[in-house]
Amino acid sequence: EIVLTQSPATLSLSPGERATLSCRASQSVSSYLAWYQQKPGQAPRLLIYDASNRATGIPARFSGSGSGTDFTLTISSLEPEDFAIYYCQQRSNWPPITFGQGTRLEIK
Amino acid sequence: EVQLLESGGGLVQPGGSLRLSCAASGFTFKNYAMTWVRQAPGKGLQWVSAISDVGSRTYYADSVRGRFTISRDNSKGTLYLQMNSLRADDTAVYYCAKPFYSGSGSHFDYWGLGTLVTVSS
Repeated sequence: EIVLTQSPATLSLSPGERATLSCRASQSVSSYLAWYQQKPGQAPRLLIYDASNRATGIPARFSGSGSGTDFTLTISSLEPEDFAIYYCQQRSNWPPITFGQGTRLEIK
Repeated sequence: EVQLLESGGGLVQPGGSLRLSCAASGFTFKNYAMTWVRQAPGKGLQWVSAISDVGSRTYYADSVRGRFTISRDNSKGTLYLQMNSLRADDTAVYYCAKPFYSGSGSHFDYWGLGTLVTVSS
């Protein structure tokens, strides 16, 4: 099973700042990694698929990069609605499909 | 518009059973594998099970294999999860999810609102 480790667990930033979230895989997942945003009481929302492709309707301030074992989600300038929990997910070696434990992005 | 609507959750005693349903619309259901993902209260996301487009192949997390059964009825556009021998650690919101790619091993571009399963005496 591929383990995804996200860091930091919590990130405290202010609106307008740049956010950098990390996801590290226990073995290579090539580019088969996605990022999701989840707000309280809501289902996850796909942001980025296959490491660097924005899903439909996702603002350009969200970008993904990386391949192999190290991946980054960057939010270039935080908007108030971006404060949420972010998860990474791999589809390279499954079953099982696995998710990271999440990074909570909170307002400083 | 793609819609996924889960139902069937509720309170059940340890050792009991529940059957979850997910009614899909807005896309050609029979062309897509489908997946169940769960989230325990205050915890992260856990993949539970997947089924191929025609239902011939099924996949399970180790934690549910032998207790849960995934199935689908393409004529009704509905996905199911039969859950037996339920345990307290099965308590979670259960989401059905549509894959971004049509196959079983995919990312997920649409999710239902989820249905809460609580296992407690």
